[in-house]
Amino acid sequence: AQTVTQSQPEMSVQEAETVTLSCTYDTSESNYYLFWYKQPPSRQMILVIRQEAYKQQNATENRFSVNFQKAAKSFSLKISDSQLGDTAMYFCAFMRWGTSGSRLTFGEGTQLTVNP
Amino acid sequence: KAGVTQTPRYLIKTRGQQVTLSCSPISGHRSVSWYQQTPGQGLQFLFEYFSETQRNKGNFPGRFSGRQFSNSRSEMNVSTLELGDSALYLCASYPGGDFREQYFGPGTRLTVT
Repeated sequence: AQTVTQSQPEMSVQEAETVTLSCTYDTSESNYYLFWYKQPPSRQMILVIRQEAYKQQNATENRFSVNFQKAAKSFSLKISDSQLGDTAMYFCAFMRWGTSGSRLTFGEGTQLTVNP
Repeated sequence: KAGVTQTPRYLIKTRGQQVTLSCSPISGHRSVSWYQQTPGQGLQFLFEYFSETQRNKGNFPGRFSGRQFSNSRSEMNVSTLELGDSALYLCASYPGGDFREQYFGPGTRLTVT
C-alpha cells in the first residue's frame, strides 16, 4: 500500500514571498504520478501541478514548481510570489496507474495562509 | 466546457436512512471516481468507474455502493446511514485514457443526524 505524508499541518507566508510545502511518499511501484491539489474554503479541489515519475525534469506551472526527488521519495511544492488567493489547504497525492485502474492516495494536507 | 457537477450540494439525513448522490462528469470523460473527506480520516478513495464497470474499490463497507450509466453519469448510494458517514463526498472525472487529467466536482456535503 502507498502512503503519503505531509509533515507540516499549517504554514504561513507573507504576500509576495516564497514558501515550500513538503511531501514524502512510500511505494514499491515504478509507474506512478504525483500531484498537488489545492482546496480553498469553497472546498473545490483544484489541480495545481502534477509530475510523472518517469520524468526527471521537475514540473513547473507559472508560480508553482516542484522538487521531485525520486530516490528519496520526496515531492515538495514551491510557491513563488505568494498571493492572497493562494490561501488554501494543499494536498499532496499519489496515483498508481495500470490496467487495474487508478486511485489517488492523499496526504493529510497543509493549511497555507498568505498574510497581507 | 462545463466542469464536473454534483447534486445535491447539501443534504441532511437521519441515521438509518439511505441516500443517493449524483455526479455528472466533464463531457467526453468516461471515468468517474468517488472520495470521502472527513476531518478525522482525511480523503479516502471509495470507488472508480469506467464505461459502466467498477474498476477499483476502496476499503468501505458494503453499505456504500455505486454505479455508472451509459452517459458516464455516476451515482453513489449509502444505505443505513450512520453518524460517521457525515462527510464531504467528492467526485472526480477524467477521460479514461489519461489518468493524469482528474478534475473534481464541488462536492456534496452530507450531514447525518
